[in-house]
Amino acid sequence: KNEVEQSPQNLTAQEGEFITINCSYSVGISALHWLQQHPGGGIVSLFMLSSGKKKHGRLIATINIQEKHSSLHITASHPRDSAVYICAVGRTSGSRLTFGEGTQLTVNP
Amino acid sequence: DGGITQSPKYLFRKEGQNVTLSCEQNLNHDAMYWYRQDPGQGLRLIYYSQIVNDFQKGDIAEGYSVSREKKESFPLTVTSAQKNPTAFYLCASSRSAKETQYFGPGTRLLVL
Repeated sequence: KNEVEQSPQNLTAQEGEFITINCSYSVGISALHWLQQHPGGGIVSLFMLSSGKKKHGRLIATINIQEKHSSLHITASHPRDSAVYICAVGRTSGSRLTFGEGTQLTVNP
Repeated sequence: DGGITQSPKYLFRKEGQNVTLSCEQNLNHDAMYWYRQDPGQGLRLIYYSQIVNDFQKGDIAEGYSVSREKKESFPLTVTSAQKNPTAFYLCASSRSAKETQYFGPGTRLLVL
């Protein structure tokens, strides 16, 4: 079993829909990261959080430390949100990140 | 503009050949990382460096080598010992080991 599990693996939505991507982890963490990878391959860091909730524009990330679970929400989705969204955790025991396999999101107009 | 650059964007390797992927950052970051991405898998750490002249093996270091002679540069050599080198390689850096990592645009390596 992977230490970081994302669901769903693939997600197709219509423009304007509210989207949720989930991440569960099984190790102790110092922080959880949400990353976005566009079709060309470049990766952008969206959020780093260790508790509670963060919001940036239409993106919201939440984390529940007790349940070892995080969610990434996208409100009013748009075709330009189409990308792979990756969850990664930084362990308390070291400086390395462990990555989930990613969620491929496609938003149709 | 501050950022991370990787070159080349595409690289072709012949059997038995060593190739070197470049990674440069002008963010004044201490930590740098090399990841490999294969289809359907999460990023896997090859090597990382928390400070100049020091680096550690990641989860899949076999067949790879690195150097960190300068703070801004962390080149990765894919040696002939790496039997399945075809992949997308990403370099990243962070101010310190526990802070947000910033990623380069990646290099796609293909074997001829």
